[in-house]
Amino acid sequence: GDSVTQMEGPVTLSEEAFLTINCTYTATGYPSLFWYVQYPGEGLQLLLKATKADDKGSNKGFEATYRKETTSFHLEKGSVQVSDSAVYFCALSGRGGSEKLVFGKGTKLTVNP
Amino acid sequence: DTAVSQTPKYLVTQMGNDKSIKCEQNLGHDTMYWYKQDSKKFLKIMFSYNNKELIINETVPNRFSPKSPDKAHLNLHINSLELGDSAVYFCASSHLGQVWGYTFGSGTRLTVV
Repeated sequence: GDSVTQMEGPVTLSEEAFLTINCTYTATGYPSLFWYVQYPGEGLQLLLKATKADDKGSNKGFEATYRKETTSFHLEKGSVQVSDSAVYFCALSGRGGSEKLVFGKGTKLTVNP
Repeated sequence: DTAVSQTPKYLVTQMGNDKSIKCEQNLGHDTMYWYKQDSKKFLKIMFSYNNKELIINETVPNRFSPKSPDKAHLNLHINSLELGDSAVYFCASSHLGQVWGYTFGSGTRLTVV
């Protein structure tokens, strides 16, 4: 079945450092890809998405590009802030009427001042 | 105005008890979901309803029974609670076919003692 693999955390960075969180997927067909963020004690919020190959999703300085050839959707940010500290989830949804999201295991990011 | 609201936020109960978690959305969405997040933050879908009809039913013990009285409400009833049921349960909603439009509730932390 469909699956998502994320890099293991936790990740600890200093403010203004460059962030990469790796995400690869296995799916039949051409899924849509997402990054969600979960701040402490809160639900998940959609951070960005890409629905077809070579699409780049971006939001709040975060970017990820849908790479079909490497089945990847790595999350990047050029300069992280303390307020970016959260758990980040990569997810996919299959096509063909599937409404469910399949999540990776999440990567906890801590940004220190 | 909370878009997807869950009650209660915290629930501590003894093994063997029966409990319910309620979810309501005021977004006009036609599809609602229950996801379970375990102690390692792994998120997995349990159920989905579209216009009160069950459309996704993952491999979940039949002690878990969802009920959707109308398309704005999706409740989760759990019988004979076990220690392994301890988790955070998230409700979400979307329009069918628009998985990028998921809105999550803030979660219900269930602790079985």
